[in-house]
Amino acid sequence: ETGVTQTPRHLVMGMTNKKSLKCEQHLGHNAMYWYKQSAKKPLELMFVYSLEERVENNSVPSRFSPECPNSSHLFLHLHTLQPEDSALYLCASSQDSAQDYYGYTFGSGTRLTVV
Amino acid sequence: LAKTTQPISMDSYEGQEVNITCSHNNIATNDYITWYQQFPSQGPRFIIQGYKTKVTNEVASLFIPADRKSSTLSLPRVSLSDTAVYYCLVGGGGSTLTFGKGTMLLVSP
Repeated sequence: ETGVTQTPRHLVMGMTNKKSLKCEQHLGHNAMYWYKQSAKKPLELMFVYSLEERVENNSVPSRFSPECPNSSHLFLHLHTLQPEDSALYLCASSQDSAQDYYGYTFGSGTRLTVV
Repeated sequence: LAKTTQPISMDSYEGQEVNITCSHNNIATNDYITWYQQFPSQGPRFIIQGYKTKVTNEVASLFIPADRKSSTLSLPRVSLSDTAVYYCLVGGGGSTLTFGKGTMLLVSP
């Protein structure tokens, strides 16, 4: 257990479904992140939240909608996804998004399959 | 963002020392060098971080020359469980971590 918990670990959804990924950390960190890792590709940063405010959004399609209700929880709401969105979705946290000297703590990820 | 270059893959045997070198020619003055390890279907795990010279922890050592244009991650006496992808990242002081393709290390018996 890394201190960052993601649920569910696996998710299969149809293209018309709506689902949400959940991430939780109790490390006292102020920043949280969503990354996408497709097969044989580098991790792609999707969203960055610092103190519950979105500070970075890397041109992610609107079918991905993040939510950060507090500094310990982060959600990724999914709707009308495409098969190419199938990937490992990773959540991470760090003490401060503006100074990542302490490194990121990642969760184990959610393996998403869109059928 | 400073770009990093590292070998795509490396092979080793159990008990050997493995050194993975990363090039980062345009590293900025306030950038740190951080290495992560990732097993299949898991999130990356922080291994070690340094700014200059040598850093050692219970897992690895990190060697950084004076010009800081490269760094070497040293894994002593690897085991089969060290088979993973190793990422070298350069940044800090405001830049979000950007991952490259990493180095796939395969440790054989």
